[in-house]
Parts: sequence; structure tokens; C-alpha cells
Amino acid sequence: AQKVTQAQTEISVVEKEDVTLDCVYETRDTTYYLFWYKQPPSGELVFLIRRNSFDEQNEISGRYSWNFQKSTSSFNFTITASQVVDSAVYFCALIPGGSGYSTLTFGKGTMLLVSP
Amino acid sequence: ETGVTQSPTHLIKTRGQQVTLRCSSQSGHNTVSWYQQALGQGPQFIFQYYREEENGRGNFPPRFSGLQFPNYSSELNVNALELDDSALYLCASTTRTDHTDTQYFGPGTRLTVL
Repeated sequence: AQKVTQAQTEISVVEKEDVTLDCVYETRDTTYYLFWYKQPPSGELVFLIRRNSFDEQNEISGRYSWNFQKSTSSFNFTITASQVVDSAVYFCALIPGGSGYSTLTFGKGTMLLVSP
Repeated sequence: ETGVTQSPTHLIKTRGQQVTLRCSSQSGHNTVSWYQQALGQGPQFIFQYYREEENGRGNFPPRFSGLQFPNYSSELNVNALELDDSALYLCASTTRTDHTDTQYFGPGTRLTVL
């Protein structure tokens, strides 16, 4: 079975601060896929990034960056110079590579509040 | 824009009733998944359909059922509604790039059971 843990329930920062959202996962599959989604108050889950288990390169996209470390089973997400529009719930999720169909296992989410 | 739409946006039902939620995804997206998201929780997988056949199911009772149609639309049906069925129901359409599936979600239907 798979498990995704987001230990931070809620984080509050002031605009322009950097913030890191933690994600730790468990899976017995050697091939798997990790995701981050953003859920603003409107409710729609917005896809941010996908990372394959065989690709440990970190990635930067604008103010967003992701740090994938297989040794610690972590896939952390950093927002640099946070903005009020970044306020949302962020979910880390995993798809195991061994299943015959792709289903996302989500963490419980981290609510990020960015104040002006 | 993900190209995934859901209807209705909100719905209020009473315990014991039946409900049908609808989802429409982009042309060519053969796989649709449904998730239930209770308040303050992450989404939980209900089931997945591929080419109109159920392709996988999470830990949900049989009163949760679905259909997928040739026009890339799908339905989630819930019979004998219970108070705990109150949640946001999310539909996701799957695209495959670089041999990996990515699920794109619709805006969801918020169901309240009284």
C-alpha cells in the first residue's frame, strides 16, 4: 500500500517570505510517480508538477522549486518570495508504477496562508 | 484550463436519496477517475473508467457506481445517501506524456447530505 504524509497542517507566512512544504511518501514499488497539486478556495485541483522515481533531478519553475530525495523518500516543494495568490491547500500525491491503473494517493494537504 | 467540467456545482440531498454527478472531459481522454474529498482531507480514490469499463476501484461500497460514455462524459451515482457522503466530488481526466499518466481535475461538485 502507498502512503503520503504531509506533516504540516497549516503554514502562515508574510508576503515575500520563502516557504517549504514537506512531503514524505511510502511505497514498495521501485517505479512510481510523485505529484504536487494546488487547491485554491474555489476547490479545483491544479496540477503543478510530476516527477518520476528514476529522475532525481531537482526542478525549478519560476518561483517554485522541488527537491526530490529517494534516500529520505521526500519530495519537498519550495515557494520563493511568496505572494498572496499562493494561498491555497497544497497536496502531494503518488502513483505506484506497478498497478494496472493509475490512481493517486494523496496526503492530507498543507494549507498555506500568505498575508500581505 | 483543464478542459474537464463537472455539474452541478453544488447539490443538497437528504439521507436515503440517490444522486447523479456528471463529468465531461476532453476528446480523446479515455480514462476518467472519480475522487471523494471530505472536508479537511485529501481526495480519496473512488473508481476509474477506461474505455467505458471500470478499470479499478477504491475502498467504497457498491452503492457508489459509475458510467463512462463514448463521448468522454461520465457519471458518478450514489444510492442510499448517508450523511458521511457529504463531500467534494472530483472528476479527473488522464493524459499520458512520456509514458506517464497525469490527472487533470475538474472544479468538483460539492454534495451536502442532510
